[in-house]
Amino acid sequence: GNSVTQMEGPVTLSEEAFLTINCTYTATGYPSLFWYVQYPGEGLQLLLKATKADDKGSNKGFEATYRKETTSFHLEKGSVQVSDSAVYFCALSVYTGNQFYFGTGTSLTVIP
Amino acid sequence: DGGITQSPKYLFRKEGQNVTLSCEQNLNHDAMYWYRQDPGQGLRLIYYSQIVNDFQKGDIAEGYSVSREKKESFPLTVTSAQKNPTAFYLCASSPTYNEQFFGPGTRLTVL
Repeated sequence: GNSVTQMEGPVTLSEEAFLTINCTYTATGYPSLFWYVQYPGEGLQLLLKATKADDKGSNKGFEATYRKETTSFHLEKGSVQVSDSAVYFCALSVYTGNQFYFGTGTSLTVIP
Repeated sequence: DGGITQSPKYLFRKEGQNVTLSCEQNLNHDAMYWYRQDPGQGLRLIYYSQIVNDFQKGDIAEGYSVSREKKESFPLTVTSAQKNPTAFYLCASSPTYNEQFFGPGTRLTVL
């Protein structure tokens, strides 16, 4: 079946620290992969995406590379800011049924 | 501006009442989805619809109902059969086989 497993939180980092949030997936076929961000009390916003193996998605200093050999899509940022504090969701979509599969979310808090 | 709107932002329900949450999109997307999110939890799929007049149950459809009479609209009714409806409800839409776009959410509280 299709599923996403992401790193358990919460994660607390100091400002300017390096961030990695791990995400691995199981999928039939060739999925597209996504990272979403959710700020308190709001809906999810697309942060970045990759649609095929070896693609790198990037946005606002965040990056993730679609690794088919390790079935991973880890989120990274070189220097986090307080404003990056949010919950991050890894997700995949597959052609069959046009369904999405979300990870459980990882809460990030960045302290000054 | 194109986007997804959900209303109301906050909703209070007495036990035994049905309530309907609104979701409208002007993105011309074919597919629409309803998710439930509980505190500190991920998203759980309630219902989804890929075309007008057709919808499928998700993982937790019991106690919920939907309709899709127009492409732009996908209202969710939380019925009295839903035993624990207090949660944050998120609506999303998607062009076929592409990323989902989310609305701002409705927080439902049962009094």
